[in-house]
Amino acid sequence: QVQLVESGGGVVQPGRSLRLSCAASGFTFSNFGMHWVRQAAGKGLEWVAYISYDGSNIQYGDSVKGRFTISRDNSKNTLYVQMNSLRGEDTAVYYCAKDLRGHCDSWGQGTLVTVSS
Amino acid sequence: DIVMTQSPDSLAVSLGERATINCKSSQSVLYSSTNKNYLAWYQQRPRQPPQLLIYWASTRESGVPDRFSGSGSGTDFTLTISSLQAEDVAVYYCQQYYSSPYTFGQGTKLEIK
Repeated sequence: QVQLVESGGGVVQPGRSLRLSCAASGFTFSNFGMHWVRQAAGKGLEWVAYISYDGSNIQYGDSVKGRFTISRDNSKNTLYVQMNSLRGEDTAVYYCAKDLRGHCDSWGQGTLVTVSS
Repeated sequence: DIVMTQSPDSLAVSLGERATINCKSSQSVLYSSTNKNYLAWYQQRPRQPPQLLIYWASTRESGVPDRFSGSGSGTDFTLTISSLQAEDVAVYYCQQYYSSPYTFGQGTKLEIK
């Protein structure tokens, strides 16, 4: 079955960088687009970024555009997001999710990012 | 950006009764060339990641109980739970995937009355 395991979360100071990873298994990773979605504590879901199966189509949410970079390594079945110039409002649980024609049909358990001095 | 607005923000329903959650988009999410509404519904139980319930506005995901149904087209959508069960306590989100950014509604918290 599909398994998505996020890692790389932690505590980071404002203005610093962090890279999250999402290890995928149970499906042919190179055939599917992927998303990052985040959720601040007690808040709703916020879509962050999307990358197509081959990396040729990338989209970002307005709040992260220019600071976050989504990428993938199909040889390693792994999705990434490089997060630069982090702010307090980036504090959230970050989920990776598998795309199926636009919607997210499988989700990981998430990794917590805390931006604090 | 397409703004998704859910109503109500919270809802309390008795076990076995019907629950109805509404979702309105600021512009149509019906793609004319495919005649599909690019609208999904997710369930998030406490301390769990979201799970896909419905896509294309009315197609139930495999394994989702048939008490869950989606309806609507264009800008107005509804998620209906026909007979509420205890395990349906959760926050429900709609999401449009018609155009980037693929925005979510603010969520509707469903509780047992």
